Order: sequence, then structure tokens, then C-alpha cells
Amino acid sequence: AQKVTQAQTEISVVEKEDVTLDCVYETRDTTYYLFWYKQPPSGELVFLIRRNSFDEQNEISGRYSWNFQKSTSSFNFTITASQVVDSAVYFCALSSQGGSEKLVFGKGTKLTVNP
Amino acid sequence: EPEVTQTPSHQVTQMGQEVILRCVPISNHLYFYWYRQILGQKVEFLVSFYNNEISEKSEIFDDQFSVERPDGSNFTLKIRSTKLEDSAMYFCATSGGYRTDTQYFGPGTRLTVL
Repeated sequence: AQKVTQAQTEISVVEKEDVTLDCVYETRDTTYYLFWYKQPPSGELVFLIRRNSFDEQNEISGRYSWNFQKSTSSFNFTITASQVVDSAVYFCALSSQGGSEKLVFGKGTKLTVNP
Repeated sequence: EPEVTQTPSHQVTQMGQEVILRCVPISNHLYFYWYRQILGQKVEFLVSFYNNEISEKSEIFDDQFSVERPDGSNFTLKIRSTKLEDSAMYFCATSGGYRTDTQYFGPGTRLTVL
């Protein structure tokens, strides 16, 4: 069975602080894909990143960076110099090639960035 | 940039009524999905659809639910007889040419069952 755990329910930071959102996953498949989606207060789900299980390189996109560690089954997301506009619920998700293509989501982490 | 669209944005209905939620996928996408999110909770998979048939469905997707792509563009989710517990945000998602391609989500339809 596949499972995604986001242990942090809510995080509150002050603008310009760095913040890391944790994601731990479980799967028996050797080929799988990990995702992060952002859900701002308006409610839509915005795709941020997709990473396959064979690519453990960390990725940086502007203020966002992702740390994929297979050894600990983690795919953490860091926002550097947070801004108020980063306030949202962030979901980590998993799908596998061996099984279904459905996304299995974590419960999400609500990030509040205060001015 | 191409995007998934959904209509209506908000639907209010009485318990027992039928509702149809509509989605227009990104053009040339081949895989279609419905997910739902009960307020404050995580996003849950309902059903996936490819080549005009359901490829997988979850336990939530019982006989009250159905999906179809009647005209080659719209992808619809029908709930035959709504229950109070069907109140949720329903998201359509579509992906391109391979089953594990990135899924892009529509803005959602908020369904309220009274």
C-alpha cells in the first residue's frame, strides 16, 4: 500500500524566514513519482514539482528547493525567504508506475507567513 | 498556458437530487481523474478514466457515481442521488500521454448538499 505522511499540520513563520515542509512516503514499488502541490486560500491545486524515484538530485527553483532522500523515504520542500504569498496548504503526493497512476496525497501542511 | 476548467464553480443541491459536474481537460491529454476534498481534509482519489473507460476507482466511487466523456471534450462526474456527506470540493485532473505524467488540476467545484 502507498502512504504519504506530512507530520506538520500547521506551520507559522514570519516573512523572510526559511521554512521546510516534511514529507515521508511509503511504497513497495521501485519506480514511483513524488509531487508537491500548493493549495492557496482560493482553493485550486497548483502543481509545483514532480520527481521520479531514479532521480535523487535536489532541485532548486527560485526560492523553492526540494530534497529527495530515498534512504529515508523523504521528499522535503524548503521555501527560502518566505513571503506572505507563500501562505497556503502544501500537499505532498505519490504515484507509482507499478500500481495505479492515482495520486495518493498526504494530509497537507498549512503554512502561514506573517508580515 | 493550457488549463483544466471546471463548471460550475459552486453547486448547491438538495439531498437526493442528481448533480453533474463538468470538466474540460487540457487538449491532447488522454488521462482523466476525479478527486474530492472534504473541507479541511486531504485530497482523495475517486476515479481514473482512459480510452473511454474507467481504469480504476476507489471505494468512495460507489454505484451513485458515474463518469463519462460524452462529446470528446467534456469529462463529467454524475452523482445520482446526493447525500449530505457528498458535500466537498471536487477536482478534475488530467494528464498527458503516459499514465504517470503530471496531473494538472482544475479549479474545483464546491458541492454543497442541503
